[in-house]
Amino acid sequence: EVQLVESGGGLVQPGGSLKLSCAASGFTFSGSAMHWVRQASGKGLEWVGRIRSKANSYATAYAASVKGRFTISRDDSKNTAYLQMNSLKTEDTAVYYCTRPYCSSTSCYVGYWGQGTLVTVSS
Amino acid sequence: SYVLTQPPSVSVAPGKTARITCGGNNIGSKSVHWYQQKPGQAPVLVIYYDSDRPSGIPERFSGSNSGNTATLTISRVEAGDEADYYCQVWDSSSDLWVFGGGTKLTVL
Repeated sequence: EVQLVESGGGLVQPGGSLKLSCAASGFTFSGSAMHWVRQASGKGLEWVGRIRSKANSYATAYAASVKGRFTISRDDSKNTAYLQMNSLKTEDTAVYYCTRPYCSSTSCYVGYWGQGTLVTVSS
Repeated sequence: SYVLTQPPSVSVAPGKTARITCGGNNIGSKSVHWYQQKPGQAPVLVIYYDSDRPSGIPERFSGSNSGNTATLTISRVEAGDEADYYCQVWDSSSDLWVFGGGTKLTVL
């Protein structure tokens, strides 16, 4: 059974930093890309970014809203993905979901979602 | 950047058919995926690659995609279908994922 368990959320002041973790199990983590998706309270889903597998050079990509402030990484030996968030803004307040995609040559979709972890940016 | 446009809300009576649209420039050339999200829960995939249905999703859920509009159709709507629905594509030109703004389905 695929499981994705996020941790590390909490309250942080504007301008601060936070690092989220996503512990994965039930599939070959090292062979899978991992994506992060967030959702502000009462708002829609927003794709944050992704990291590909070692076979794809651990390539990362980010939404324009977080590019330059957020960094996605992974530790395949620990089956864990990370989301390092710096220079946080109040508008980054959201539930952050770790997701495992299923991809073909033409598209990708979310196959599995974690339960989400809440990040609150407030003074 | 690529934009997906959904109506904020759709209302339908039980037993009727609900159609939720997702508009985008030449979206028919892309694969569209649909998610259902109920309050307090993570989203659930209901349609992938325009019209494929994951195991466990009722046949009442179907999808289509052509031109500038993709459509999620829910037949014989039930009270339990009340939820937010999101469309999603992979924009190959930017190598980014894009979600629509979401549609709240209300069962009257």
